[in-house]
Amino acid sequence: NAGVTQTPKFQVLKTGQSMTLQCAQDMNHEYMSWYRQDPGMGLRLIHYSVGAVITDQGEVPNGYNVSRSTTEDFPLRLLSAAPSQTSVYFCASSYLGPYTEAFFGQGTRLTVV
Amino acid sequence: KQEVTQIPAALSVPEGENLVLNCSFTDSAIYNLQWFRQDPGKGLTSLLLIQSSQREQTSGRLNASLDKSSGRSTLYIAASQPGDSATYLCAVTNAGNNRKLIWGLGTSLAVNP
Repeated sequence: NAGVTQTPKFQVLKTGQSMTLQCAQDMNHEYMSWYRQDPGMGLRLIHYSVGAVITDQGEVPNGYNVSRSTTEDFPLRLLSAAPSQTSVYFCASSYLGPYTEAFFGQGTRLTVV
Repeated sequence: KQEVTQIPAALSVPEGENLVLNCSFTDSAIYNLQWFRQDPGKGLTSLLLIQSSQREQTSGRLNASLDKSSGRSTLYIAASQPGDSATYLCAVTNAGNNRKLIWGLGTSLAVNP
């Protein structure tokens, strides 16, 4: 049982480049979300999605886009990378959002130079 | 605005000790509270989820309690082992149609052999 799979695990980008962080889950969860984790700031929600229908913003959505065309996949796109986006990114899924147990991917460590 | 605080930020104990990690929240109108474990360079693993109507949950050597009226939760780890060394985070879900977890910054635990 793979759970939540994130790729890549590490990435270095130059300022201004774009890229997509991939996230896939095989648990048929409706709710998926993206967080970033920075020292001293904890986990902050970027975007979340409920089914392949609804996506909405979290605390820190600027500079990121998401889409949800299937239940399994929830990619996060960085439009024009900035050094402030250097962080560790986590994808999570759950059956009923924060009302049920959350499952996390292993994270993507992104450095923007 | 809900705020979640975890004290202490770091804790070091000898192997075999029973220990308590604390989590406090400012708004008692919560739907649930979750405890997670994060190993260095890894994702988060859900340990226990306590619904607002519950007082405690147990899993193996872990016991989490919830006192909603005082805005507190504790995670009790019995007979600690070096393998318990990790960062422990708590997160609450506010009552209502929020769909978001509010996170503490975590307690970094080191269990020394």
